[in-house]
Parts: sequence; C-alpha cells; structure tokens
Amino acid sequence: NAGVTQTPKFQVLKTGQSMTLQCAQDMNHEYMSWYRQDPGMGLRLIHYSVGAGITDQGEVPNGYNVSRSTTEDFPLRLLSAAPSQTSVYFCASIDRDRGWDTEAFFGQGTRLTVV
Amino acid sequence: GDSVTQMEGPVTLSEEAFLTINCTYTATGYPSLFWYVQYPGEGLQLLLKATKADDKGSNKGFEATYRKETTSFHLEKGSVQVSDSAVYFCALTTGNTGKLIFGQGTTLQVKP
Repeated sequence: NAGVTQTPKFQVLKTGQSMTLQCAQDMNHEYMSWYRQDPGMGLRLIHYSVGAGITDQGEVPNGYNVSRSTTEDFPLRLLSAAPSQTSVYFCASIDRDRGWDTEAFFGQGTRLTVV
Repeated sequence: GDSVTQMEGPVTLSEEAFLTINCTYTATGYPSLFWYVQYPGEGLQLLLKATKADDKGSNKGFEATYRKETTSFHLEKGSVQVSDSAVYFCALTTGNTGKLIFGQGTTLQVKP
C-alpha cells in the first residue's frame, strides 16, 4: 500500500499566487484532514472531512479551501498565498471504522515557502 | 479548550542514556493519548497510545502511562539509540471527531 501520498514535496510561491496541495490515500479511509506544522507550535488542524462531500473547518482555516469529491482525494487550496502560510503541511487519514482513537496515517508533508 | 504541553527541547543524550519527555494535557472529556514520532524528512507515525486512565502504551522500547490524577503521559525509554533521533509529539483526541491536538514537539538528538 502507498498509504497517504502528498504532492508536491516542496513549493515556493510568490505572495498572491494560488496553488493546490494534493493528498491521496489508498486505504479507503473516510476521515481525512490537513494540518500545518510551525516551529514551536506543533501541528494545527486546518480542515477535515468525515467522508466524500462533507468538509469542515479546523483550528486555523482562514486562507484555505478544501473539497472532497472522492474518498481517495482531499486537496487543499491556497487562493492567494501570504507569507504567513509558509509552513510544512501534512495530510492525514483515519480508518474511523476502527474507532476515533485509532492511528492516524500521515503523508510525508509539503514544505511551502511564500515569498 | 483542550491542549497539550510538552517539555521544551532540544534534548541531547548519549547512546544508552535514559530518556524522559514530559507531556501534560488539559481536556474537558476523557481523552485518548498518543505519542507520534517524526523522523527526518518523513511524516508522523504513531509510536504508542493509551485510551483510558492507568493504561500503559508501549512500542520499540518506549513506554508511557496515562495518569489521570496528574493529567500526564510522559514518554520514557531505558536506553536510547542513535536511530531514536527524531521529533516526538504528544497528542490527544476527545469525542468522536478524529481531531488530534498536538503538543509543540520535542526534538531528541542521540549522540554515539
């Protein structure tokens, strides 16, 4: 199994540009989420989805959009990048059929720099 | 709101030294507690977990006990190896949400 796959691994954007971070999982997990990792702050939840067609906001949703048209894919969109969005982004999925306290599977991350 | 606090890093140890990374939490409900590890250049992976008070999670020589009375979940290992060098995150989840709340992470460097 590939698990959770994120693309790209690295990206540099100019302020105001838009882009989409891709996330795909092949484990048929209903629950998927996006986190950002900043120094000294751990990981913070941006958006999450409990199934295809259902999304909701996490702790730090401003400046980001998501959609979930299939079980496998959960892209994260930056509509107008800002330097404050420089971070490492992680996608994660959970097999909620095994319970909400089960293991979360993470992608390898996307390191985004906004200049 | 719910939160997790970890000891400040980085932590630098010699090989075979004893490791403790402190973690305390605040939660309104009855959380499940986790330790995730992030090796250089990789995503996070679950190291161990405990879902109720007095449970002990263990894996790869690491242990942590869910202490409700002190709201703590400290990570320990009796003898660290160079390969244990990584960033360690304490986390919790409550309710049927799937949302993980992370501590700030502790960097461990083990020297030969």
